[in-house]
Amino acid sequence: SQQGEEDPQALSIQEGENATMNCSYKTSINNLQWYRQNSGRGLVHLILIRSNEREKHSGRLRVTLDTSKKSSSLLITASRAADTASYFCATDSISGNTPLVFGKGTRLSVIA
Amino acid sequence: KAGVTQTPRYLIKTRGQQVTLSCSPISGHRSVSWYQQTPGQGLQFLFEYFSETQRNKGNFPGRFSGRQFSNSRSEMNVSTLELGDSALYLCASSLAGRGSGNTIYFGEGSWLTVV
Repeated sequence: SQQGEEDPQALSIQEGENATMNCSYKTSINNLQWYRQNSGRGLVHLILIRSNEREKHSGRLRVTLDTSKKSSSLLITASRAADTASYFCATDSISGNTPLVFGKGTRLSVIA
Repeated sequence: KAGVTQTPRYLIKTRGQQVTLSCSPISGHRSVSWYQQTPGQGLQFLFEYFSETQRNKGNFPGRFSGRQFSNSRSEMNVSTLELGDSALYLCASSLAGRGSGNTIYFGEGSWLTVV
């Protein structure tokens, strides 16, 4: 069963704009990871944020984590057509028995 | 450093047959987990192995099984295939698996079509 819910389900923006995707989850976590998936391909790891961290950056990516609200956001700045993909958040929950529990993902389309 | 390698990438099977999928984790990684991805159910956890032992299992029928070898390579098997088993099967590896805080890396997946 899904732990997380990404919001929005789909997002369409122009090249150069920023894209923000949100993720909410239900249980306490050890960490949260964001992944990208191009159509028909595997998952590419983007960033891991631990439960005691509030913000992390990696290149054009910025991830925030609010454990009190059980939510995270992924910001992609200055988006490019190559950023077009589905983005998933995945949680490693403190209880539970699965390495990662995924949300349904956000489909991002960046229009050149 | 090579990533997670899954074979085969694509396969077509007939209902009632069985299939074996293979996964080679990143060198040094001892945890391997498997996920099924379908349009309707999204990404669902199948099982996790660590040092040849199954640590966790998802909510799948007994037709789905797996194992891990001493070199950390893993296989999963699906017997008596059903149409609903058509999916992308993803393998992931990490140094120590859930709760460890390690990054979990995925392979390109094996596309299984059951006809």
